[in-house]
Amino acid sequence: GQQVMQIPQYQHVQEGEDFTTYCNSSTTLSNIQWYKQRPGGHPVFLIQLVKSGEVKKQKRLTFQFGEAKKNSSLHITATQTTDVGTYFCAFNAGNNRKLIWGLGTSLAVNP
Amino acid sequence: DTGVSQNPRHKITKRGQNVTFRCDPISEHNRLYWYRQTLGQGPEFLTYFQNEAQLEKSRLLSDRFSAERPKGSFSTLEIQRTEQGDSAMYLCALNTTPNPGTPLLGNTIYFGEGSWLTVV
Repeated sequence: GQQVMQIPQYQHVQEGEDFTTYCNSSTTLSNIQWYKQRPGGHPVFLIQLVKSGEVKKQKRLTFQFGEAKKNSSLHITATQTTDVGTYFCAFNAGNNRKLIWGLGTSLAVNP
Repeated sequence: DTGVSQNPRHKITKRGQNVTFRCDPISEHNRLYWYRQTLGQGPEFLTYFQNEAQLEKSRLLSDRFSAERPKGSFSTLEIQRTEQGDSAMYLCALNTTPNPGTPLLGNTIYFGEGSWLTVV
């Protein structure tokens, strides 16, 4: 079935450096969603992208959906220690809109 | 406030015992999902309710698992004869077009804080 691959699996950065995680699918996706999960916490919805080539920004976070709707990226500018967590991409599959998730990218930020 | 309350938050049980988790949304909605998440993995879909009807079940949901949503509001997930492989966080999520006056954003998925299960 459909699935998404996320890279990298882990990323360590120094506070103030930028961070990017990528989400790739072999098939066209109807949408892509991004979530953040803090250690010991639950996934928190960040954003949904639905249009080809869409770019959305939330403060220091920039989300992109590829032209072919097969890949997406999340870029964080000037990371802060509060950005620590695992970032997941996911997409709705089927009529019941269940989410299919990537394995996530765990971000560690050294102060 | 996630808009979704899950209980218990943590459960340690002996192998072979039964456990039940409960999900209480704070407002009316129609779509409710259960997911399971193990360490280092993304959540995996278990089952979906639209109102009180269970419309989809994952193959992950063996016959030891049963979920209900009797009145289309709260939901329960029961695991019978627990096994160590059942150890995971069980997440409830809701997706709704909100009624006017509710604090939830439209077409956004809200997860509860999860119920951690450890089977020893």
